[in-house]
Amino acid sequence: AQTVTQSQPEMSVQEAETVTLSCTYDTSESDYYLFWYKQPPSRQMILVIRQEAYKQQNATENRFSVNFQKAAKSFSLKISDSQLGDAAMYFCAYRGGSEKLVFGKGTKLTVNP
Amino acid sequence: DSGVTQTPKHLITATGQRVTLRCSPRSGDLSVYWYQQSLDQGLQFLIQYYNGEERAKGNILERFSAQQFPDLHSELNLSSLELGDSALYFCASSVTSGRVYEQYFGPGTRLTVT
Repeated sequence: AQTVTQSQPEMSVQEAETVTLSCTYDTSESDYYLFWYKQPPSRQMILVIRQEAYKQQNATENRFSVNFQKAAKSFSLKISDSQLGDAAMYFCAYRGGSEKLVFGKGTKLTVNP
Repeated sequence: DSGVTQTPKHLITATGQRVTLRCSPRSGDLSVYWYQQSLDQGLQFLIQYYNGEERAKGNILERFSAQQFPDLHSELNLSSLELGDSALYFCASSVTSGRVYEQYFGPGTRLTVT
């Protein structure tokens, strides 16, 4: 079974600074997708970024980028120029052949003004 | 706004009772997924329906059941409720059953069992 591990329960960053959230996963599949979801206090799950395992190039969406290391099974999220609105729980998720999303436990990000 | 709607937003009920949670997927989406978010278990996949048929099952209790109707809306039925069933229940939808498409989440239904 696939597992996703987020080793940082909580992180904090100063406004305008850069922060990296870590995620590792375990799978025997070769074809899969990885996602980062954001869950603000409203509890809505918002897709931040996705990465296809077959693509070597790291995905980027505005201030959000990933560092995908397939051999190490690592998928970290970098948030640049952090804003107060980035404060939220961030979940790393894996999706393979079974289509269901497997989530990590989450990292609570605090942004300090 | 993801386009996925869930009703009700909040539900408070007593142990032993039965409730029904409703989900309307985004227009055109054929696949519906149900997830449970609790403090103990985190976010867990429960079940998936695709165009009216059950597609995959996860950690769904026998007391729970779901269905997807011809108009593609889905309902999650929870019966013989226990205190531990208190959680946030999410519905998500995607265009089709395939690996390429993202799942878009509804706002969730918060269930409190007293």
